[in-house]
Amino acid sequence: AQSVTQLGSHVSVSEGALVLLRCNYSSSVPPYLFWYVQYPNQGLQLLLKYTSAATLVKGINGFEAEFKKSETSFHLTKPSAHMSDAAEYFCAVSDTGNTGKLIFGQGTTLQVKP
Amino acid sequence: IAGITQAPTSQILAAGRRMTLRCTQDMRHNAMYWYRQDLGLGLRLIHYSNTAGTTGKGEVPDGYSVSRANTDDFPLTLASAVPSQTSVYFCASSDRSGGGYTFGSGTRLTVV
Repeated sequence: AQSVTQLGSHVSVSEGALVLLRCNYSSSVPPYLFWYVQYPNQGLQLLLKYTSAATLVKGINGFEAEFKKSETSFHLTKPSAHMSDAAEYFCAVSDTGNTGKLIFGQGTTLQVKP
Repeated sequence: IAGITQAPTSQILAAGRRMTLRCTQDMRHNAMYWYRQDLGLGLRLIHYSNTAGTTGKGEVPDGYSVSRANTDDFPLTLASAVPSQTSVYFCASSDRSGGGYTFGSGTRLTVV
């Protein structure tokens, strides 16, 4: 079965600092991978996705993620954090087969300090 | 605006009562999903539907039922609510092309 592990339930950075949110996955087939962001009292919004094209994926709001098959990782980065980036971030992997189901990690809360 | 509408936004429900959470999408997506979100557990799949007329069980289906009479609507029913069903419920849809999900804004349910 596929699974996702997000390392660190809480990450705190200073405004302007590098953001790094870690995600490792387990999959028996080439996966589709996603990062979603959730702002307080809202639903989840798609940040970016990897679907077997370029391994470096650029998303909205200056975020990007790199698919590393050898490390089974899909870490999310942003060069310079902004206060508005404070939110919860979820990594997800597509289920095997053609079900379209996503398996989500437990989430990482990003705090941005002024 | 295309998307998913969930209702109600929030609800306080007495234990033992029946409750239906509504979900409607206008994107003509084939697949729809119900997740619950709990602190420290992320999102867990309750039920899903790959196309109108079919449904399937997810990771945590007990105590919940769904129906998919048409493409647009995917209601979630709690037949007899229990306090452990206190959660935030999200409906999502997908065209299953690998593009990911579109999420609704959620329903915050408290069972007392």
